[in-house]
Amino acid sequence: DAKTTQPPSMDCAEGRAANLPCNHSTISGNEYVYWYRQIHSQGPQYIIHGLKNNETNEMASLIITEDRKSSTLILPHATLRDTAVYYCIVRVGSGAGSYQLTFGKGTKLSVIP
Amino acid sequence: NAGVTQTPKFQVLKTGQSMTLQCAQDMNHEYMSWYRQDPGMGLRLIHYSVGAGITDQGEVPNGYNVSRSTTEDFPLRLLSAAPSQTSVYFCASSKVHSGANVLTFGAGSRLTVL
Repeated sequence: DAKTTQPPSMDCAEGRAANLPCNHSTISGNEYVYWYRQIHSQGPQYIIHGLKNNETNEMASLIITEDRKSSTLILPHATLRDTAVYYCIVRVGSGAGSYQLTFGKGTKLSVIP
Repeated sequence: NAGVTQTPKFQVLKTGQSMTLQCAQDMNHEYMSWYRQDPGMGLRLIHYSVGAGITDQGEVPNGYNVSRSTTEDFPLRLLSAAPSQTSVYFCASSKVHSGANVLTFGAGSRLTVL
């Protein structure tokens, strides 16, 4: 399984873009990059996923480097409600292995007023 | 839509007692799964199901049973509770979206075993 490396914590000013990096240098060709976040002790919340191309949805954008060894989650206009732990996960797309979510320690994002 | 609903939210058990954590989803998702989250250890997969009548073990299945008689429900049974099962339990349902398995989680059930 590909291992991911994220900074333990980051601060972001409210209204500014939050850019959360993730390294996954051992990713294989059939593994997707997923991002989830967990606010306090709530259930994890899906944000976005991608395989090769950059992706955007209503919550965030995901930028994946051409060699797929790293990615960046972008929250374009961070609000106080975006304060959470953000997890970058690399998993196969489907099948039994896609359930084995190893959340690790993630990045604690603090949005500051 | 309610999404994924877990009950109870909190439960205290004595060692040796049994109980069932309930999980229901109204999104017509085929796949459902149970995780436990312990401090500093992230989520660990207990059991999962790819459809009604089909279940399989995850990383930490011992001490837990599941069944999937309907698409909507996926209860987790603790057969004889032990203090090591003190944890927060999350149920998730999922569908394959653009080739990837995207999970929707419930709010969690916090279990304490004395």
